[in-house]
Amino acid sequence: DAGITQSPRHKVTETGTPVTLRCHQTENHRYMYWYRQDPGHGLRLIHYSYGVKDTDKGEVSDGYSVSRSKTEDFLLTLESATSSQTSVYFCAISDASGYEQYFGPGTRLTVT
Amino acid sequence: QKEVEQDPGPLSVPEGAIVSLNCTYSNSAFQYFMWYRQYSRKGPELLMYTYSSGNKEDGRFTAQVDKSSKYISLFIRDSQPSDSATYLCAFRTGANNLFFGTGTRLTVIP
Repeated sequence: DAGITQSPRHKVTETGTPVTLRCHQTENHRYMYWYRQDPGHGLRLIHYSYGVKDTDKGEVSDGYSVSRSKTEDFLLTLESATSSQTSVYFCAISDASGYEQYFGPGTRLTVT
Repeated sequence: QKEVEQDPGPLSVPEGAIVSLNCTYSNSAFQYFMWYRQYSRKGPELLMYTYSSGNKEDGRFTAQVDKSSKYISLFIRDSQPSDSATYLCAFRTGANNLFFGTGTRLTVIP
């Protein structure tokens, strides 16, 4: 998985609870991305980062925030989890060209 | 209309068959065309990448792009059981974010 780890790999949480997912890379790539994958929708971009402290919204950003204080770490936070945020979350990285995105192993999140 | 359409399958073929996977798209701004393979409970991995119309070959895999018809294909020759996975088409404009199809699940039967 191209030097990308995600933690936790599995999480079950209750509605209204804050949740933070972590993505860590060892490739020193500039760009990092958070996607969610749901049946019938495929992979959809939540947020991405183009450098330390530089982030921007993707297609489905409502209810999510991100932070990147170091090149290697990109955090995704659900401030108050809802059942509609039950999904598999993937982190991806790419160099500045963006030609190839490499994906992490995913985090399976269930909100009850 | 969705920007990307991909038949979800499932598609089942015997070992050794030629497999054809297809996607259509509507966004004329898409400049880069990719195919990813995703095994069950794993992250997607990049298989093929191209930015021009025509064919690109890599071993048993051929990616075909027809920009005039807004149609891309992935052909797998001499399919193997290890090719059993979900195949995702993906598209990119000049920016870095990708737009994915929903994926086609392929099973190659020994």
